[in-house]
Amino acid sequence: QVQLQESGPGLVKPSETLSLTCTVSGDSISHYYWSWIRQTPGKGLEWIGFIYYDGSTNYSPSLKTRVTISVDTSKNQFSLNLSSVTAADTAVYFCARVPTGLGDAFDIWGRGTMVTVSS
Amino acid sequence: DIVMTQTPLSLSVTPGQPASISCKSSQSLLHDDGKTYLFWYLQKAGQPPQLLIYELSKQFSGVSDRFSGSGSGTDFTLKISRVEADDVGVFYCMQSLQLPYTFGQGTKLEIK
Repeated sequence: QVQLQESGPGLVKPSETLSLTCTVSGDSISHYYWSWIRQTPGKGLEWIGFIYYDGSTNYSPSLKTRVTISVDTSKNQFSLNLSSVTAADTAVYFCARVPTGLGDAFDIWGRGTMVTVSS
Repeated sequence: DIVMTQTPLSLSVTPGQPASISCKSSQSLLHDDGKTYLFWYLQKAGQPPQLLIYELSKQFSGVSDRFSGSGSGTDFTLKISRVEADDVGVFYCMQSLQLPYTFGQGTKLEIK
């Protein structure tokens, strides 16, 4: 059974960098695209970006200047870095799998991790 | 960005009755490959969204056949043939035709 687990600090200071890791278990990270999505009460669900196991990425234009997604195939993990955070980046952050054959749907999600940006 | 607009934002349904949710996109989601890149998710309380329907009308593995997706171009519908108590949550449509992928604002289903 494939499982995804987000991990990282739950509190980040304004202007600092938010860093999260998604650990994949039950399957190799080398077979799919992987994505980060966040959810806020105000803006709802927002796609952040995705990465392929070879390191190729695509980011949301609204976050592109601040986002970096990376992958570590040896650890079966991928990570999100979001720089220069503000209170608007307070959200629940989800990682998700993007399999082939489903039209880029997110078929398996982590449970999500709440990140608060506050001093 | 493609804007996804759902209606209604909430609905209350008696168990056993049907329900319908509408989703409209700001541009057609029909790709040159003939597929329509429209998806439906259900988010239950305290859980991540779960995939129900992909590519307009295809049921994801393990999803009840009470859920069906239809539509074309810019107008889409999720239908629940007979609502059950376990269907409570927020339904979202999403498009993956064009980056950035975008979601509707959600429709909250409650049971009468």
